Amino acid sequence: GAGVSQSPSNKVTEKGKDVELRCDPISGHTALYWYRQSLGQGLEFLIYFQGNSAPDKSGLPSDRFSAERTGGSVSTLTIQRTQQEDSAVYLCASSPGGGDYEQYFGPGTRLTVT
Amino acid sequence: DQQVKQNSPSLSVQEGRISILNCDYTNSMFDYFLWYKKYPAEGPTFLISISSIKDKNEDGRFTVFLNKSAKHLSLHIVPSQPGDSAVYFCAASRALTGANSKLTFGKGITLSVRP
Repeated sequence: GAGVSQSPSNKVTEKGKDVELRCDPISGHTALYWYRQSLGQGLEFLIYFQGNSAPDKSGLPSDRFSAERTGGSVSTLTIQRTQQEDSAVYLCASSPGGGDYEQYFGPGTRLTVT
Repeated sequence: DQQVKQNSPSLSVQEGRISILNCDYTNSMFDYFLWYKKYPAEGPTFLISISSIKDKNEDGRFTVFLNKSAKHLSLHIVPSQPGDSAVYFCAASRALTGANSKLTFGKGITLSVRP
């Protein structure tokens, strides 16, 4: 079946502009995570959605970052007034929940802020 | 404060030999430890995991060992194959589901298996 998809695969933006990154999780997966990987670093947790519960936003680095998950499916990560330090690969993962805990990752969106 | 550490950035081994990838952690609240494998331009894929109540988990050529007292785990790949060449991430979480299932990752280690 289809895996997690993310769009765009690459995004170059000027400092100060807003960007939206999209994640389509695997159908039926109730949990959705956003992570980012900056150059030379491991993956860093950003935000977690589970069903209709309030999201865990504890990993968002600043109030310029926000995310939504509409209808328990597609998620959008928005970065306002982008800064150069926001340059990273942004990865989305989804998980079925229940007894299957594996997080299935998408290919990521490479964001470059110039 | 890096809670999951992979201190070696790279490892090169001969095909057929054993690859040993090490990982240390500092947070004693972690209960689950996972290894992910990543190829260029792809997302990480789950490889193997271990619960803190166990000290070993084996899946085919892959075995993960956990030394809880030392806060250390290692991934053994035997025998190593050229297709194993990738970046390997060690990750940890406090739970497998729910709010504490978010993963804390190390920086990764690049494994190269020479034919």
